[in-house]
Amino acid sequence: NAGVMQNPRHLVRRRGQEARLRCSPMKGHSHVYWYRQLPEEGLKFMVYLQKENIIDESGMPKERFSAEFPKEGPSILRIQQVVRGDSAAYFCASSPGTLMADTQYFGPGTRLTVL
Amino acid sequence: AQSVAQPEDQVNVAEGNPLTVKCTYSVSGNPYLFWYVQYPNRGLQFLLKYITGDNLVKGSYGFEAEFNKSQTSFHLKKPSALVSDSALYFCAVRDIQDTGRRALTFGSGTRLQVQP
Repeated sequence: NAGVMQNPRHLVRRRGQEARLRCSPMKGHSHVYWYRQLPEEGLKFMVYLQKENIIDESGMPKERFSAEFPKEGPSILRIQQVVRGDSAAYFCASSPGTLMADTQYFGPGTRLTVL
Repeated sequence: AQSVAQPEDQVNVAEGNPLTVKCTYSVSGNPYLFWYVQYPNRGLQFLLKYITGDNLVKGSYGFEAEFNKSQTSFHLKKPSALVSDSALYFCAVRDIQDTGRRALTFGSGTRLQVQP
């Protein structure tokens, strides 16, 4: 059973460009979560999605950031007009969604560097 | 609001000795508690979780954690450390009552260094 897949693993963008990060959940998982990890810090929640629905986006910056989880295909985290402060590791997690306390399983992350 | 504190940035232990990585939490209701481990340039690997029931939870790779409600703690333990246990460990919490949100709140992490 393949784990959570994220691509690309490394992404370099210049200031003002767009970054698109992709996440394919584990097979059978319908819930996806995005977290951001700044250097030497813990993970910070960004957004929680189910298929075609954003359930909780309380951790998303108000501007430039958006996320989707379409009926078909991976979840996408999109950052428009990137700035240096967006440089971080972005982790996706997935869970079955069948239990209130179900475990979130994490992907390997995408390391975004903004020049 | 929920929060997690990992008071030690780094824990050093000799191989074969017992290890403890500390975690305390704060939630308004009852907690779900998790431990994850992160190896360099990798994602987080799930170790164990506490939902309800027995306060001593056993997880992967010989790790266990003890839930203490009165002290609001969930310390990670292992009876005999291995050099390969050297990694970054994160404690995380979710409030059971927060049914609409499933966001985990993470501590800042504790680096475990096991010396041969």
